[in-house]
Amino acid sequence: DQQVKQNSPSLSVQEGRISILNCDYTNSMFDYFLWYKKYPAEGPTFLISISSIKDKNEDGRFTVFLNKSAKHLSLHIVPSQPGDSAVYFCAASAGSNYKLTFGKGTLLTVNP
Amino acid sequence: DTAVSQTPKYLVTQMGNDKSIKCEQNLGHDTMYWYKQDSKKFLKIMFSYNNKELIINETVPNRFSPKSPDKAHLNLHINSLELGDSAVYFCASSPMTQGFGELFFGEGSRLTVL
Repeated sequence: DQQVKQNSPSLSVQEGRISILNCDYTNSMFDYFLWYKKYPAEGPTFLISISSIKDKNEDGRFTVFLNKSAKHLSLHIVPSQPGDSAVYFCAASAGSNYKLTFGKGTLLTVNP
Repeated sequence: DTAVSQTPKYLVTQMGNDKSIKCEQNLGHDTMYWYKQDSKKFLKIMFSYNNKELIINETVPNRFSPKSPDKAHLNLHINSLELGDSAVYFCASSPMTQGFGELFFGEGSRLTVL
């Protein structure tokens, strides 16, 4: 029962272009969403988050969009850099607690 | 100066053995977690402790027993290891139990059961 789905296992983009990573969820109780970035042999590190009362949150090159009616969120990275190459996990929580449900991740490769 | 540190990073052992993974955080957080990343790459919560008290236990076999001697430490002990226990185990911490925010993860401990 995958409550958080990242349907693209991998994505390849050119340096300088936009990277768009997608995430869908099924649990309508989710009200807080996060993106984590993970390099090989390291733990996930927090990137950006958004609460369900917003539809957009921006932090530098990273923007997360939330479409509650579609139960869909996306992470935009502009411009993409080779150092952004990593696995990106979408995560969600319900009811103001720290119990996160993660997607399977999308491997982003940014080519120089 | 690692915020959430786990030991060992790699662990290879035989079926039936008992092993432990240790976790320490120096962030002053009240809540700690164990997550498991299996072969399908899903990160799933196993346990959560708040100030040494168990608050989340996600249908994990009894062979897994977390122990929190103080709020800065959360160890994971696994009895009678099985092949299916092979995974990467991540420790994490958060500043509180309720509220919105992120978890801080350790580097992970890769367990291989032969």
